Amino acid sequence: ETGVTQTPRHLVMGMTNKKSLKCEQHLGHNAMYWYKQSAKKPLELMFVYNFKEQTENNSVPSRFSPECPNSSHLFLHLHTLQPEDSALYLCASSQERGWSGYTFGSGTRLTVV
Amino acid sequence: AQKVTQAQTEISVVEKEDVTLDCVYETRDTTYYLFWYKQPPSGELVFLIRRNSFDEQNEISGRYSWNFQKSTSSFNFTITASQVVDSAVYFCALITGNQFYFGTGTSLTVIP
Repeated sequence: ETGVTQTPRHLVMGMTNKKSLKCEQHLGHNAMYWYKQSAKKPLELMFVYNFKEQTENNSVPSRFSPECPNSSHLFLHLHTLQPEDSALYLCASSQERGWSGYTFGSGTRLTVV
Repeated sequence: AQKVTQAQTEISVVEKEDVTLDCVYETRDTTYYLFWYKQPPSGELVFLIRRNSFDEQNEISGRYSWNFQKSTSSFNFTITASQVVDSAVYFCALITGNQFYFGTGTSLTVIP
């Protein structure tokens, strides 16, 4: 248990489905992040939330929609995904600025069929 | 531009051998932090160490040691007497300003 909990651990979805990934932390961190990890590629930062406000969106397609209702919860809503979106999606949290490092969740392994 | 390079994509060693994972970084900032994370097959990235740019002291923690050299912009990680449980992907990372930059990772396999 890392302190950052992601559910589900595995998800298989069709291209026309709508699903959501959930991330929860009770570490008292005020920044939360979504990363995408594809095979043989660097970790890609997708979204950053600081004090519930989105501060970064790294040119992520609109079929990925983040939501941060409070500092402890972060969602990634998925709709009409493509097979190339299959990857490990990692959530992380940190104190503001992240200089003490990020705490990562175990990730959601997403397969789009 | 900030950048982290892990030139070794995959390394295999036999158990009990020592292994060094290389990390070279680029930044023009004078204040930054360097990290190593371990990603076992279960997926989560596990924090191993953080160093700030003003502290070049090498660090040892059990079988793990880190060599930080600003002169060569390197932050190498050595595992002594490797074990099968050390098999994982290891990421070096740099944080400066509000940005976190990850290397592409080195996949380490320790063969029994």
